[in-house]
Amino acid sequence: DTGVSQDPRHKITKRGQNVTFRCDPISEHNRLYWYRQTLGQGPEFLTYFQNEAQLEKSRLLSDRFSAERPKGSFSTLEIQRTEQGDSAMYLCASSLETYEQYFGPGTRLTVT
Amino acid sequence: AQSVTQPDIHITVSEGASLELRCNYSYGATPYLFWYVQSPGQGLQLLLKYFSGDTLVQGIKGFEAEFKRSQSSFNLRKPSVHWSDAAEYFCALTTSGTYKYIFGTGTRLKVLA
Repeated sequence: DTGVSQDPRHKITKRGQNVTFRCDPISEHNRLYWYRQTLGQGPEFLTYFQNEAQLEKSRLLSDRFSAERPKGSFSTLEIQRTEQGDSAMYLCASSLETYEQYFGPGTRLTVT
Repeated sequence: AQSVTQPDIHITVSEGASLELRCNYSYGATPYLFWYVQSPGQGLQLLLKYFSGDTLVQGIKGFEAEFKRSQSSFNLRKPSVHWSDAAEYFCALTTSGTYKYIFGTGTRLKVLA
């Protein structure tokens, strides 16, 4: 059990550029979650997958955001036309058929 | 709608002192409750969880929490704090049939030597 991994750990991009983050869940975990955490706040739910199906999306997930989980393994979160307000820590978590989520180290995005 | 409130943004305690971090929730039934710890630049580590049954739950690193339905609270406690406990602590809630967590805003713990 190597834990949830995320790549990259840090990303600096210019406003208007597209970015993509990757999350590899704990193997055999069928549920995968994305959260966003801004400075001084708790994580906020963005979306979650059960296997390859995206079952819920938050209203925070604007049209510029898209997430995929092909084949029910790793997941990607893409942000198009980044804005300064997108600067945050993006956290990924995974779980089995339980309510207990295991979090990765996060990807810190800075939009300049 | 469900919500989680952590009334204390910052708490400072001396090493060896006892600790209590407050968490209040809003939900019409019994939620599933969690405490996580986040060290600087890191992800969240699960300390303990409450689903049902015994209202006093034990977690890792010597932490415990007590679920009090009458007060809608799930406070985290530790009898003797270590300098390595300095971190940010988050209380989270989810409910049966949903899987997304609702987090509080966190409490930052500072430990004085």
